[in-house]
Amino acid sequence: DIQMTQSPSTLSASVGDRVTITCRASQSLYSWLAWYQQKPGKAPKLLIYKASDLESGVPSRFSGSGSGTEFTLTISSLQPDDFATYYCQQYSTNSWTFGQGTKVEIK
Amino acid sequence: QVQLVQSGAEVKKPGASVKVSCRASGNTFTNYFMHWVRQAPGQGPEWMGIINPSGSSTDYAEKFQGRLSVTADTSTTTVFMELSRLRSEDTAVYFCARGKGVVITAPFDSWGQGTLVIVSS
Repeated sequence: DIQMTQSPSTLSASVGDRVTITCRASQSLYSWLAWYQQKPGKAPKLLIYKASDLESGVPSRFSGSGSGTEFTLTISSLQPDDFATYYCQQYSTNSWTFGQGTKVEIK
Repeated sequence: QVQLVQSGAEVKKPGASVKVSCRASGNTFTNYFMHWVRQAPGQGPEWMGIINPSGSSTDYAEKFQGRLSVTADTSTTTVFMELSRLRSEDTAVYFCARGKGVVITAPFDSWGQGTLVIVSS
């Protein structure tokens, strides 16, 4: 299986900050990477797919970039609703795998 | 957007089986692949298996081979996940999720609310 590694595991930030989360894959994904946001007790919510395409209804402050084995999720100006855990997911093979998550906390 | 509604929480003893249901709203049930994903406490999501509801073909993650069965009932637009020979490490929240679009290699754009399964003697 393809291994997904996120960094950092925890990130402390303030409202208005620019935040970047990195995800690395153990082999090339081309652009078959998605990002999810999850809040406690809720299901993950799709934010970004195909590395950089914004899911319908997701605010434009979220953006994704990268290809191959290295990808980033950027929140341009952190809002109170954005404090959550973020996961990357590869879907380049028929064995979907997720990163271990990055928790974005209030500084 | 489709709505996925799952069955309620379960408490099972080690060695038992659990069956969780996921009912999809709307009339495009057979157009999309459906997945099962679980999440143990404090852990990231873990993909378990996939079903094509139109033909009921399935594929499972290697670690669940032999213990997992995913089925679909098109008449009730419901998918089912049955996990057997439960052990304490299977304690988790189990989610159904729909693949985005009609291709198999896709992210998950709709999720059920989750079903907590506790395995304890």
